[in-house]
Amino acid sequence: EDKVVQSPLSLVVHEGDTVTLNCSYEVTNFRSLLWYKQEKKAPTFLFMLTSSGIEKKSGRLSSILDKKELFSILNITATQTGDSAVYLCAVSNAGNMLTFGGGTRLMVKP
Amino acid sequence: GAVVSQHPSWVICKSGTSVKIECRSLDFQATTMFWYRQFPKQSLMLMATSNEGSKATYEQGVEKDKFLINHASLTLSTLTVTSAHPEDSSFYICSARSVDKNTEAFFGQGTRLTVV
Repeated sequence: EDKVVQSPLSLVVHEGDTVTLNCSYEVTNFRSLLWYKQEKKAPTFLFMLTSSGIEKKSGRLSSILDKKELFSILNITATQTGDSAVYLCAVSNAGNMLTFGGGTRLMVKP
Repeated sequence: GAVVSQHPSWVICKSGTSVKIECRSLDFQATTMFWYRQFPKQSLMLMATSNEGSKATYEQGVEKDKFLINHASLTLSTLTVTSAHPEDSSFYICSARSVDKNTEAFFGQGTRLTVV
């Protein structure tokens, strides 16, 4: 059974701090790992990672995948209150199915 | 990015009635659509995977006769909650992936169902 574990479960920081969110996984026939941000409604896509060691970057967010150690991290630098959300990690297997982790709830205080 | 439209965004219904939720991929063909349920402050729980033109695959513990899924075309999947009860109240979200399987899944806006 595919499994995705995210840590920490929740995190409270102040604006300007840097945070690192973790995602470890076990999956048969790994295809890709995806990060989503969920605020009030449906998740919005952030990154898709398929290869180890290649950092993906979008503004203050970046992510990297380690397929040997089976984990990924999502970094957010210079956090803002608008970054407050639940961050979801999911892995895709060869059968096109996504398994989601439990999410990390991030709160950024002014 | 690709757009997935889910309708309605919220619905209130009486116990015992059925509710249909639609999920459409607006600018791409979705061979596979996924239906999730999300309880407050919890992650997404996969209910079923629907492939165009074939029967949906349900996750363990999900009643297929209660949550009817139809994926009749490459751009539309529907989830019907039959004989709804208050415990079915939840946030239902669909996602769709394109014909090219190794792409991100795009999510609909979600449907908040309240059964009274």
